[in-house]
Amino acid sequence: DAGVTQSPTHLIKTRGQQVTLRCSPKSGHDTVSWYQQALGQGPQFIFQYYEEEERQRGNFPDRFSGHQFPNYSSELNVNALLLGDSALYLCASSLLAIYTDTQYFGPGTRLTVL
Amino acid sequence: KQEVTQIPAALSVPEGENLVLNCSFTDSAIYNLQWFRQDPGKGLTSLLLIQSSQREQTSGRLNASLDKSSGRSTLYIAASQPGDSATYLCAVKGNNDMRFGAGTRLTVKP
Repeated sequence: DAGVTQSPTHLIKTRGQQVTLRCSPKSGHDTVSWYQQALGQGPQFIFQYYEEEERQRGNFPDRFSGHQFPNYSSELNVNALLLGDSALYLCASSLLAIYTDTQYFGPGTRLTVL
Repeated sequence: KQEVTQIPAALSVPEGENLVLNCSFTDSAIYNLQWFRQDPGKGLTSLLLIQSSQREQTSGRLNASLDKSSGRSTLYIAASQPGDSATYLCAVKGNNDMRFGAGTRLTVKP
């Protein structure tokens, strides 16, 4: 059983560019959450997708957007990249019906903005 | 707004020592609290999950406790090993999202 997978592993972009990160949830999971983790900090919640809709959102600007596909996989898009967007982006999957269950995290995508 | 704090930020111990990591949170209205391990540049591995109705959970050499009323949790690691070296994060799950502490960076010296 494949766990949560993310692609790409690493990415280098320049300021002002746009980036798309991808996530495939653990088999059987229907909910995907995205987190941003700056160096030396804990992950910060960006948003959560369920049934192809954004269900919850953290304190992130509209430059951060997402999408969930019918197969439950998800994309995170960031427009007009800033230097401060450099971070490890983590995807986590879960089953919404078991809200109190754990989230399973992927290995992350390391984004560097120059 | 939920805030999660972890103390200490870093800890270095000799192999074999027992140790305690601390986590505090400001809003006791939580569904659960979870401890994760993170190796440098990697994703998060779940260690222990404590539901809000529970007081503790154990897995091998790890024991986590939860005191919801005081907003505190501890992670106890027995007989530490060099392979335990990593950053340990606690996270609380509320209505809206999961909030993380900044982590404790643990180094276990051989």
